[in-house]
Amino acid sequence: QKEVEQNSGPLSVPEGAIASLNCTYSDRGSQSFFWYRQYSGKSPELIMSIYSNGDKEDGRFTAQLNKASQYVSLLIRDSQPSDSATYLCAVHNTDKLIFGTGTRLQVFP
Amino acid sequence: GAGVSQSPSNKVTEKGKDVELRCDPISGHTALYWYRQRLGQGLEFLIYFQGNSAPDKSGLPSDRFSAERTGESVSTLTIQRTQQEDSAVYLCASSPGLAGGQETQYFGPGTRLLVL
Repeated sequence: QKEVEQNSGPLSVPEGAIASLNCTYSDRGSQSFFWYRQYSGKSPELIMSIYSNGDKEDGRFTAQLNKASQYVSLLIRDSQPSDSATYLCAVHNTDKLIFGTGTRLQVFP
Repeated sequence: GAGVSQSPSNKVTEKGKDVELRCDPISGHTALYWYRQRLGQGLEFLIYFQGNSAPDKSGLPSDRFSAERTGESVSTLTIQRTQQEDSAVYLCASSPGLAGGQETQYFGPGTRLLVL
């Protein structure tokens, strides 16, 4: 079992819809969780971090964490074509981040 | 302010040659990370430096890979006797180092390595 798992996609949603990106992790002791966005040919950039169970909202983005289910998700409201990218889930483990392979999101007009 | 910088941005080398990749972290960041990203794949952790502590080398894939860091500044990743499977983007990231790794990492633009 991979330490951090994501569906590779692509996830295709129409402009204006809600995109839901999911991630599961294997280390029950993990405490910090991050979502990074990576445009093709570019380096990752942080979208959201979350440390406590529940929801955390920042603009059009909402991160959701459920430690009991070892599950973290990212919702993107009012999706825009500019949101089309690969979204990487990262989980803190000891002294480093373990990344999932990413979910490719496509937002079509 | 300046972000993380890496050089070269692209490197083409022949199989069996050694290569050296450089990373300049954000000024004041004590934590520095190296990752490898193969085409279409996620980020693979290689090595982590935190201040003057011994680095976490647990992600280095073989003894052909090594990395050094001078104090809390520049780091170099060296790959000896390169193989074609070493072809990837090598990403460097830094963070303030105040939260035991549980903090935002800022990535450089990466070095795209192609081994022929």
